[in-house]
Amino acid sequence: DAKTTQPPSMDCAEGRAANLPCNHSTISGNEYVYWYRQIHSQGPQYIIHGLKNNETNEMASLIITEDRKSSTLILPHATLRDTAVYYCIDLSAGSARQLTFGSGTQLTVLP
Amino acid sequence: GAVVSQHPSRVICKSGTSVKIECRSLDFQATTMFWYRQFPKKSLMLMATSNEGSKATYEQGVEKDKFLINHASLTLSTLTVTSAHPEDSSFYICSASLMNTEAFFGQGTRLTVV
Repeated sequence: DAKTTQPPSMDCAEGRAANLPCNHSTISGNEYVYWYRQIHSQGPQYIIHGLKNNETNEMASLIITEDRKSSTLILPHATLRDTAVYYCIDLSAGSARQLTFGSGTQLTVLP
Repeated sequence: GAVVSQHPSRVICKSGTSVKIECRSLDFQATTMFWYRQFPKKSLMLMATSNEGSKATYEQGVEKDKFLINHASLTLSTLTVTSAHPEDSSFYICSASLMNTEAFFGQGTRLTVV
């Protein structure tokens, strides 16, 4: 079973920041926080990952709390093309990279 | 990032026939690839792990004789759905990764069995 919990759905206005929360209640010390998204009828797309420091790339920012029990994915200026299901996943370093997907958050960006 | 390609993207087949889906890593070699299945409005479920040069390992409840996996080279894994039935209709997705990097996913294959 998935180890993370996320709200089932969220809406965001186009151009505004989208903040997607995730709870990692059972995360262990060697597990990274990964975020993927899946646009309808496509394969999942990697977004970002981190261990305990906040991370930023061209797609998003990742905020991880000090106790690592929760994280927030931030899309700074959401566009209509960001409408997708977003998944947060705990994954050990050096693991074989099979992913356990939870139910994710359906983000709908509204015009 | 690395590219994983699946073919076909969409296939319709008659009940009782077999369908082969290909998964290729285009710009890297993958000793391990993964196959997932996704039903409508559901999350991805891991079906099996495809290992180059050896037998695939299947998740509990996945019939290995129905979902044949072959990983004959470092850039190609195939999933064959044998004697397909309407309940096998689903979205099939493969993934691959380099050592200790994020997983890259194919674009998925929509299988419809009529």
